[in-house]
Amino acid sequence: QQPVQSPQAVILREGEDAVINCSSSKALYSVHWYRQKHGEAPVFLMILLKGGEQKGHDKISASFNEKKQQSSLYLTASQLSYSGTYFCGTERDDYKLSFGAGTTVTVRA
Amino acid sequence: KAGVTQTPRYLIKTRGQQVTLSCSPISGHRSVSWYQQTPGQGLQFLFEYFSETQRNKGNFPGRFSGRQFSNSRSEMNVSTLELGDSALYLCASSLVVGWGQTNTEAFFGQGTRLTVV
Repeated sequence: QQPVQSPQAVILREGEDAVINCSSSKALYSVHWYRQKHGEAPVFLMILLKGGEQKGHDKISASFNEKKQQSSLYLTASQLSYSGTYFCGTERDDYKLSFGAGTTVTVRA
Repeated sequence: KAGVTQTPRYLIKTRGQQVTLSCSPISGHRSVSWYQQTPGQGLQFLFEYFSETQRNKGNFPGRFSGRQFSNSRSEMNVSTLELGDSALYLCASSLVVGWGQTNTEAFFGQGTRLTVV
């Protein structure tokens, strides 16, 4: 079952912050975050495991609330290079990695 | 090291035909997953193979099948093509070392763009 991402799209100016949410109706073992730029393959950002650990990648960080089966990706002080479509992937105890529909982020100068 | 290689990059087929797509994972990676990507639908999981065995399957009709060889290379086959099968098919490999291990970082190939006319 696909996780649900919100919002579908967000437009930012350089330096602004944004939050992308990912939720599942089932218990999760891990959450993965990827970014895909137009015409390119998705690229790994980070994995969060059960335990609510927060991770970071440059000025992009994420949290995982396993009780709520939710994860959030935080884009801080956004840069032009942050533009792209962000996908969350959720993994349950069956080891299947299912992705959401994606959130398109556009950062403008 | 070389990344994930998918061939061909582009394919045009007519309805009713069948097609085979190929994926060569990163050396040492034994897990290969396939995804269908269409605008607005994100990445739809097709199946995952680990050590030549299908470990997981998505909700696609039986026309979609796959296999993995002893060298971890994988193929995906779609029979009796329909217009709705037009999509970008992505393959991803990861360093899963055991059947019961969770997924690690996935490395995606550039994909095969399939157009059914």
